[in-house]
Amino acid sequence: DTAVSQTPKYLVTQMGNDKSIKCEQNLGHDTMYWYKQDSKKFLKIMFSYNNKELIINETVPNRFSPKSPDKAHLNLHINSLELGDSAVYFCASSPDSSNQPQHFGDGTRLSIL
Amino acid sequence: QKEVEQNSGPLSVPEGAIASLNCTYSDRGSQSFFWYRQYSGKSPELIMSIYSNGDKEDGRFTAQLNKASQYVSLLIRDSQPSDSATYLCAVNEGGGSYIPTFGRGTSLIVHP
Repeated sequence: DTAVSQTPKYLVTQMGNDKSIKCEQNLGHDTMYWYKQDSKKFLKIMFSYNNKELIINETVPNRFSPKSPDKAHLNLHINSLELGDSAVYFCASSPDSSNQPQHFGDGTRLSIL
Repeated sequence: QKEVEQNSGPLSVPEGAIASLNCTYSDRGSQSFFWYRQYSGKSPELIMSIYSNGDKEDGRFTAQLNKASQYVSLLIRDSQPSDSATYLCAVNEGGGSYIPTFGRGTSLIVHP
């Protein structure tokens, strides 16, 4: 029943490791997003895909690489994790890339030791 | 750099009062405006969308948009302790890019 689901919910790992976060939506939406929410709760967009095509790529280190195998999935791979990557990462989707609100997943809390 | 500004608060109101949350944005071409509510440790959930000048009401919530002043607000009538949360203002750019920009949120506390 979950509309936008992310896994894992919690991710604790060492600096320098590589990790992935998966996201799936069953709403039939065309557009998916990745956001980072820092400790001060600021929600900042990282990437957006519309129908598997990258349409938004904000200023994010190239250690972050999104992958969209189909329009229902948008995964985030992070290489060489750094302390500053600790945050909550939210996946979201919207019907299309125009003026539509977004539905958010429950978030993945990433903690770097 | 497109900006969306909100007072971080906390805004404290007594139960039953009207809570007024404000947001200003820098991009005159912005076309769509959203209010999300985020409880601590949870994900943002949509409260209201507004696209044209004026007021839009949904139950206890009223969104107000003034594009000339680049200002959008959310009024919560008959505030309840369960309304205590962070309220995020989000603005989509115009011009076909529709890049969403979020404010830093206003923390609302409704005390009994």
